[in-house]
Amino acid sequence: AQTVTQSQPEMSVQEAETVTLSCTYDTSESDYYLFWYKQPPSRQMILVIRQEAYKQQNATENRFSVNFQKAAKSFSLKISDSQLGDAAMYFCAFAGGTSYGKLTFGQGTILTVHP
Amino acid sequence: GAGVSQSPSNKVTEKGKDVELRCDPISGHTALYWYRQSLGQGLEFLIYFQGNSAPDKSGLPSDRFSAERTGGSVSTLTIQRTQQEDSAVYLCASSLERTEAFGNEQFFGPGTRLTVL
Repeated sequence: AQTVTQSQPEMSVQEAETVTLSCTYDTSESDYYLFWYKQPPSRQMILVIRQEAYKQQNATENRFSVNFQKAAKSFSLKISDSQLGDAAMYFCAFAGGTSYGKLTFGQGTILTVHP
Repeated sequence: GAGVSQSPSNKVTEKGKDVELRCDPISGHTALYWYRQSLGQGLEFLIYFQGNSAPDKSGLPSDRFSAERTGGSVSTLTIQRTQQEDSAVYLCASSLERTEAFGNEQFFGPGTRLTVL
């Protein structure tokens, strides 16, 4: 079974600054994907970024990038030039093996952005 | 285009009553997932549909929970004899089926907040 751990229940950042959210996972699978999802107060989860385990290059989507350390089983999310709209709950998630794509989520990190 | 929709958005019921939660996935998405989000348990997988069949029901917490999907589209999650511990937000997600099934982006609905009194 897979586990995903987010050790930061809450984080805060000043507008325009950079913040990094941490995530570690444990799995015996060799092929898998890792995801960061954002959940604003509206409750609707939105995909921020995803990383395939076989790809060594870290994924980047505009202001969002990841630091994927496969050997350490670490998958952190860096948000650059933080904006007020980035305030939300962020979930790290895993899917792989014979899971049919079902996601295993971490506990979530609440991100507050201060103007 | 239309996203995933869920109804009702909020449901308050009395302990022991049955409830039905509905999910309308994005048109053409063959994969559909139900998750539950609660304070105590976080986000948990409940059930996965591929078309109308459910090859993975491993997350359903008890036999009071069941789900079906018809026409490869709408899905209904039914909770019988509701208990207070069933109070949670129930999220539905859909995705396109591809060979690398576990890499697909899942598109989530806004969820149904269930409160059992």
